[in-house]
Amino acid sequence: AQSVTQLGSHVSVSEGALVLLRCNYSSSVPPYLFWYVQYPNQGLQLLLKYTSAATLVKGINGFEAEFKKSETSFHLTKPSAHMSDAAEYFCAVSTASKLTFGTGTRLQVTL
Amino acid sequence: DTEVTQTPKHLVMGMTNKKSLKCEQHMGHRAMYWYKQKAKKPPELMFVYSYEKLSINESVPSRFSPECPNSSLLNLHLHALQPEDSALYLCATSGQGKDTQYFGPGTRLTVL
Repeated sequence: AQSVTQLGSHVSVSEGALVLLRCNYSSSVPPYLFWYVQYPNQGLQLLLKYTSAATLVKGINGFEAEFKKSETSFHLTKPSAHMSDAAEYFCAVSTASKLTFGTGTRLQVTL
Repeated sequence: DTEVTQTPKHLVMGMTNKKSLKCEQHMGHRAMYWYKQKAKKPPELMFVYSYEKLSINESVPSRFSPECPNSSLLNLHLHALQPEDSALYLCATSGQGKDTQYFGPGTRLTVL
């Protein structure tokens, strides 16, 4: 079975600081991996995805993630946090017809 | 602009009511999904439709009844719900297999 683990249910950074949200996956086959963002009372918005092409994936809003097979990781980064980045972030792995989500990381951005 | 829409945005219903949630997509996708999301939790898969046929039912209680009338529409009929069914209900669509799922804005359901 495929799964993802998000380390840290809550991350707080200062505005302008580096954002690092951690995701590790478990998969018996080459995975498709996703990061979604959810603002309060809204649906999930796709930030970026890895589908076995380039290992460094660039997404929307300045976010990027690097697929590291040796570490089974797909961490999300952004060089400089903005107040508008405060939200819930979900890492997910895809099997045929199913997305398996991590438990989520709430990002808080402070002045 | 979202290409997956959901109505209504909010719904309050009593335990004896019958109501329906609606999802519409204009992405040409042939797979559609219903998820339930409780506060501070990830979405939980409820149903998957593929080419308008139910392909996955994650052991959801029969008080939830999905329907896919055509390739653009997905409904979730609700009857005799319980207060613990209060949640955000999300619709998603995708191409086949491991393709990206695109989510609608959700319906916030409150059962009194």
